[in-house]
Amino acid sequence: DQQVKQNSPSLSVQEGRISILNCDYTNSMFDYFLWYKKYPAEGPTFLISISSIKDKNEDGRFTVFLNKSAKHLSLHIVPSQPGDSAVYFCAASGYGGSQGNLIFGKGTKLSVKP
Amino acid sequence: EAGVAQSPRYKIIEKRQSVAFWCNPISGHATLYWYQQILGQGPKLLIQFQNNGVVDDSQLPKDRFSAERLKGVDSTLKIQPAKLEDSAVYLCASSSHGYGNTGELFFGEGSRLTVL
Repeated sequence: DQQVKQNSPSLSVQEGRISILNCDYTNSMFDYFLWYKKYPAEGPTFLISISSIKDKNEDGRFTVFLNKSAKHLSLHIVPSQPGDSAVYFCAASGYGGSQGNLIFGKGTKLSVKP
Repeated sequence: EAGVAQSPRYKIIEKRQSVAFWCNPISGHATLYWYQQILGQGPKLLIQFQNNGVVDDSQLPKDRFSAERLKGVDSTLKIQPAKLEDSAVYLCASSSHGYGNTGELFFGEGSRLTVL
């Protein structure tokens, strides 16, 4: 029973173009969503987050959009750079109020080609 | 600021053997987590500590896994006896936010376990 789903295992984008990574969730109790980026042989690093009271949060080239009615969020990277090539994990929390109990998706591997 | 330190980075053991992983969180972070990441999956929480107390170990297989956080700083995760399905990367993370408060987690590089 996957509560956080990233249905695209991989995504390939040309440098300078927009990358859009998608995430769906099933638990309506989730009220906080995060994106983490992971390079090979390293731990995940926090990228950007959004609370359920918002529908958009922006940080430089990264923007996260939340559609609560559709239980869907997306991460936009504009413009994409080769250094953005990594695995991106969507995570959600809020169920039971435990921030630590992040529920992660399986990840999407982004490849940005020069 | 030093990050989350974990050791060993890699460990290969045979099934039914035991193994221990060590984690030193970021200084001052009260909350410490152990996650298990199986190949092709996202990280899954095993246990969460607030200072030296356990606040969530609902997904820890307690018949073979144990964890402790002495003095509210370093933590060890032990597996005894190991099974083939325990092959995974064990990630330690810490946070300055307490239980019930949202905030980012800082992850270590992980300890990769292979059980033969």
